[in-house]
Amino acid sequence: NAGVTQTPKFRVLKTGQSMTLLCAQDMNHEYMYWYRQDPGMGLRLIHYSVGEGTTAKGEVPDGYNVSRLKKQNFLLGLESAAPSQTSVYFCASSTFGTSGRNEQFFGPGTRLTVL
Amino acid sequence: GESVGLHLPTLSVQEGDNSIINCAYSNSASDYFIWYKQESGKGPQFIIDIRSNMDKRQGQRVTVLLNKTVKHLSLQIAATQPGDSAVYFCAESMDTGRRALTFGSGTRLQVQP
Repeated sequence: NAGVTQTPKFRVLKTGQSMTLLCAQDMNHEYMYWYRQDPGMGLRLIHYSVGEGTTAKGEVPDGYNVSRLKKQNFLLGLESAAPSQTSVYFCASSTFGTSGRNEQFFGPGTRLTVL
Repeated sequence: GESVGLHLPTLSVQEGDNSIINCAYSNSASDYFIWYKQESGKGPQFIIDIRSNMDKRQGQRVTVLLNKTVKHLSLQIAATQPGDSAVYFCAESMDTGRRALTFGSGTRLQVQP
């Protein structure tokens, strides 16, 4: 049981390049999220998904797109990278849970630098 | 917009002492709160949670206190150890369909040997 994994761990892009970050979870969770974390700040929600085939915007969605074609995967795309998108990106997943707990399980993060 | 914030950006304590990390929230509709621990280079890890119908919850060496009157949340760590050194985030949510969390900016806890 690997939990939440993210690929790649590090990436350097030039302005205008595109890339896709992959998140995978093996816990059969319904919910998945993409956050970004800038230095000295908390996590901000980019996009999220409440189930396979569904996606929705979070707090800071501009410049990003997502897809959830399979329940276990949640992809984050940058079509034309900008220096302002330099950040650490975290994926998370959660489930309904009968305990009422809304615990989100986080991946290890992807450090992206846009030059 | 409404947000979750923290009073102290850095807290330095001696090993063995108790630590208290504070958090203020402004969304009175939030009904669920979580504390996360984030070690350097890693993703956040769940520590403890509390629902708005409670004012205290205890875990192993950790206690979360919720004061809804003043919209204040705190995390108490007993007998702080070097392994507790990390950044601690509080987060809030409402029982809505998306179940997303709003995070505070974090407090760095430094444990001095």
